[in-house]
Amino acid sequence: RKEVEQDPGPFNVPEGATVAFNCTYSNSASQSFFWYRQDCRKEPKLLMSVYSSGNEDGRFTAQLNRASQYISLLIRDSKLSDSATYLCVVSYNQGGKLIFGQGTELSVKP
Amino acid sequence: DGGITQSPKYLFRKEGQNVTLSCEQNLNHDAMYWYRQDPGQGLRLIYYSQIVNDFQKGDIAEGYSVSREKKESFPLTVTSAQKNPTAFYLCASSIVGLQPQHFGDGTRLSIL
Repeated sequence: RKEVEQDPGPFNVPEGATVAFNCTYSNSASQSFFWYRQDCRKEPKLLMSVYSSGNEDGRFTAQLNRASQYISLLIRDSKLSDSATYLCVVSYNQGGKLIFGQGTELSVKP
Repeated sequence: DGGITQSPKYLFRKEGQNVTLSCEQNLNHDAMYWYRQDPGQGLRLIYYSQIVNDFQKGDIAEGYSVSREKKESFPLTVTSAQKNPTAFYLCASSIVGLQPQHFGDGTRLSIL
């Protein structure tokens, strides 16, 4: 079983749609959680950290369920510019080693 | 502007040749990392360093070597022992462990 698992997609949605991604992780000692965005042939960029209480940044909402060991990302009112691959990332030791999911591809169509 | 600079952007390696990928950061971050990404796959950790003159192997260190002589610099050498080096190589840095990492724009390595 992979340490971090995501549905690879692709998710094809129309502009304005709401889309949700889920991610599960296997190590219960995981301590830090992030969502990164990666555009085609580019480097990953931090989208948002994920906090236990859940957090929101504009159209993006991230939630963490430690009991079930999953993380979610909700995107409201999708824009064409949201088209990218979204990477779920966890960390569980002081060395800062990040474990990346394989990513979920999102394609927003006009 | 603060950031992470990787060079070159594209690199071609001949069979049996060692090549070195450069990574420099001016963010004053203590920790630096090297990842490899293959098409359609997630990032895999090659090496990481939390402090100058110290580094640890990641999940796929075989065929690679690193050095950390300066806080700002963490070069990666892809040796001839790495039999499948074609990939997208990403360098990252962070303040300390458990903090988000910031990435350079990567080096694409191909075999001639």
